[in-house]
Amino acid sequence: DAGITQSPRHKVTETGTPVTLRCHQTENHRYMYWYRQDPGHGLRLIHYSYGVKDTDKGEVSDGYSVSRSKTEDFLLTLESATSSQTSVYFCAISGISGTQGNTEAFFGQGTRLTVV
Amino acid sequence: DAKTTQPPSMDCAEGRAANLPCNHSTISGNEYVYWYRQIHSQGPQYIIHGLKNNETNEMASLIITEDRKSSTLILPHATLRDTAVYYCIVRSLYNFNKFYFGSGTKLNVKP
Repeated sequence: DAGITQSPRHKVTETGTPVTLRCHQTENHRYMYWYRQDPGHGLRLIHYSYGVKDTDKGEVSDGYSVSRSKTEDFLLTLESATSSQTSVYFCAISGISGTQGNTEAFFGQGTRLTVV
Repeated sequence: DAKTTQPPSMDCAEGRAANLPCNHSTISGNEYVYWYRQIHSQGPQYIIHGLKNNETNEMASLIITEDRKSSTLILPHATLRDTAVYYCIVRSLYNFNKFYFGSGTKLNVKP
């Protein structure tokens, strides 16, 4: 398995509180992604990073911010959690092949977040 | 990226081949076909990818039609542990942000 660790694995928080989820990799891959997964939906891209301090929005970025101060860590922050952000969050990483461009993505085991 | 269309669910008998179809009629020339699966609530697992030639690895085979508008993932001898949601994704290797998942196919392998 690719070296990806998500923390925490489970969290319950109250509406209006800030929450930060961490994704840590040991693969030295350039690209990192945050997805959320809800019943009836596939995985939806929240934010992604293409290098240290280089990030951009995905398809469902409202209410989320990210930071990447070093290659191995990609943080997802909910500034003021809402019940609609109750979900399972997955981090993914991908690298670069010299001949094939961006490689396949490897996923973490997920963080189950409940906002009450 | 091109959109993909997959059946929502399929059944397969244990030990038989599972053939999972995917339509990607708007695929462009620099886009690859990727397959992932997700077992229970685990993180998605990479299976295989290809451009235009058929591909095989230790997990599965990928058959891409000559016009590249559709593909089939083949699990040659399905086991109960292959029960999962299978996602077909079309992705350009040079647009790393374009890695979007659809709803996938729930494969039920039955004894």
